[in-house]
Amino acid sequence: KQEVTQIPAALSVPEGENLVLNCSFTDSAIYNLQWFRQDPGKGLTSLLLIQSSQREQTSGRLNASLDKSSGRSTLYIAASQPGDSATYLCAARVGSWGKLQFGAGTQVVVTP
Amino acid sequence: GAVVSQHPSWVICKSGTSVKIECRSLDFQATTMFWYRQFPKQSLMLMATSNEGSKATYEQGVEKDKFLINHASLTLSTLTVTSAHPEDSSFYICSARAEAGESYNEQFFGPGTRLTVL
Repeated sequence: KQEVTQIPAALSVPEGENLVLNCSFTDSAIYNLQWFRQDPGKGLTSLLLIQSSQREQTSGRLNASLDKSSGRSTLYIAASQPGDSATYLCAARVGSWGKLQFGAGTQVVVTP
Repeated sequence: GAVVSQHPSWVICKSGTSVKIECRSLDFQATTMFWYRQFPKQSLMLMATSNEGSKATYEQGVEKDKFLINHASLTLSTLTVTSAHPEDSSFYICSARAEAGESYNEQFFGPGTRLTVL
């Protein structure tokens, strides 16, 4: 069974610093991996989707990498802002119609 | 990205009553939708996979008679919590999977429904 782990569980950085969020998964035969953002009491917003054939995806200040051989994905957020404060979840899918397996999330606080 | 809505966004009910939560994909069709439950400070737990026109597939440990799922159209799935009890209080989130276009196989999530059972 696919297990997804996110470290650290919580992170606090001053505004302007780059954020590095880690996600590891046990089954390297993933179909794709998604990064989500969740604000308190809200649903999930999809940030980036990386297909298994891709090494990275970029959207604005966000960049996500995928290394299947080591079972890792990293989300980079450049020049963090207080508005980036949220919980970030990664989720891996095994098989094209498999279920998403979520990590527990990293709670990020960006202080002004 | 595609939009998924949920209604209501929050609901408070008395113990023993039933509550229905709607999940709609607003600008795309979804044969498959998913229902998750999230406890405070925890990640999402998949409850069931909702398939249009057929019975839902429930995860192990989820009571199908308590959590009734109906996926009657390609844009609407409903979750009914029957005879709700305080332990059913939670945050319920639905998700729909895009099956065409550039977002193929990407899951989009609704804003969630906060259920409080008194």
